[in-house]
Amino acid sequence: NAGVTQTPKFRILKIGQSMTLQCTQDMNHNYMYWYRQDPGMGLKLIYYSVGAGITDKGEVPNGYNVSRSTTEDFPLRLELAAPSQTSVYFCASSLLTGGNTEAFFGQGTRLTVV
Amino acid sequence: AQKITQTQPGMFVQEKEAVTLDCTYDTSDPSYGLFWYKQPSSGEMIFLIYQGSYDQQNATEGRYSLNFQKARKSANLVISASQLGDSAMYFCAMRDTSGTYKYIFGTGTRLKVLA
Repeated sequence: NAGVTQTPKFRILKIGQSMTLQCTQDMNHNYMYWYRQDPGMGLKLIYYSVGAGITDKGEVPNGYNVSRSTTEDFPLRLELAAPSQTSVYFCASSLLTGGNTEAFFGQGTRLTVV
Repeated sequence: AQKITQTQPGMFVQEKEAVTLDCTYDTSDPSYGLFWYKQPSSGEMIFLIYQGSYDQQNATEGRYSLNFQKARKSANLVISASQLGDSAMYFCAMRDTSGTYKYIFGTGTRLKVLA
């Protein structure tokens, strides 16, 4: 199984440009998440989804949008990129129930806004 | 609000020695899960170990064990017999299992294993 796949792995954007970070999982997980990791910091939750058609804001949603039209896909849209959005972005997924329900992470997307 | 605190920005340990990475948490929910992840320099997030709030025994996975003290709200990671490959960033995380099911992460501890 591929697990959680993110594309692209690296991207440089100019200020004001837009882009979509793609995330797909093949584990039939209900929950999906987008986190950002700034240098030397922990992960901060941007958006999450409990299933197709349902999304909700995390700690730092400003400047981002998401959609969840299928169980597998959870793209993150950046509108009007700003230097403050320079970060590493991680997509993750997990099951809804079960005691040992760790999050499975993609490889990350390193985004630089110049 | 839920919160994870990791107070050790960096730690050094001699190869083959044991090391404890600290993690304290704050939540008012009765049900939650605690996780540790490893992030090597390559950047991926690797799940290490899990502890449920109702688990009576401390979790163990190979050389990793979780020292769970519920009354003190701490969930420290113990790595025994450290190896050079253990050098990485380590994150403690908590998942609320009675509400939103979000994962909240601490700021991490960078561990360096010395030969």
